[in-house]
Amino acid sequence: EVQLLESGGALVQPGGSLRLSCVASGFSFSSYTMSWVRQTPGKGLEWVSAISSSGVSTYNVDSVKGRFTLSRDNSKNTLYLQMTSLRADDTAVYYCATGRSYYDSWGQGALVTVSS
Amino acid sequence: EIVLTQSPGTLSLSPGERATLSCRASQSVSGSYLAWYQQQPGQAPRLLIYGASSRATGIPDRFSGSGSGTDFTLTISRLESEDFAVYFCQQYGTSPETFGQGTKLEIK
Repeated sequence: EVQLLESGGALVQPGGSLRLSCVASGFSFSSYTMSWVRQTPGKGLEWVSAISSSGVSTYNVDSVKGRFTLSRDNSKNTLYLQMTSLRADDTAVYYCATGRSYYDSWGQGALVTVSS
Repeated sequence: EIVLTQSPGTLSLSPGERATLSCRASQSVSGSYLAWYQQQPGQAPRLLIYGASSRATGIPDRFSGSGSGTDFTLTISRLESEDFAVYFCQQYGTSPETFGQGTKLEIK
């Protein structure tokens, strides 16, 4: 059974930084492109970032370019999203998900709140 | 980017009835790369349909998808109690991938 477990969500001040992690199990993690998708009540679901199976290639939505960095450690079956220069509109539940296109499996989500 | 508009915003039906949910794109969805998800309260979305009409693994056959170009439909043939949830469409034919705002399916 595919399992994705996010951690690292927190309350952070505007301009601050945070790192989310996603530990995967139940599938061949190193063979999959992985993504982060966020959800807010106002803007709905939004694809944020994706990384190739090897980690060589990453892709980001324009609104997070230069601020968010996606990486992975295939030896630890773990995905990381380093977020810097956080803004109020980054407040969301962040999901890690398998694939980039449609998303087969999702984690339970990590809540990131950016507020002073 | 492609904007997806879902209708209706809320659909009130009874168990056993047929549900028809619409997703309209602001421009043609390349390759019919359109997916549907179901989201229960407090849970992550679950993939139902990809490629406009292919059911994901483990999805009951009462769920079906259709459409092409700019107009897509998710049909639930006979509603069961666990089907009452929020449904989202997503296009992945043109970057960035985008989602619709959702249709809430509620018990009448």
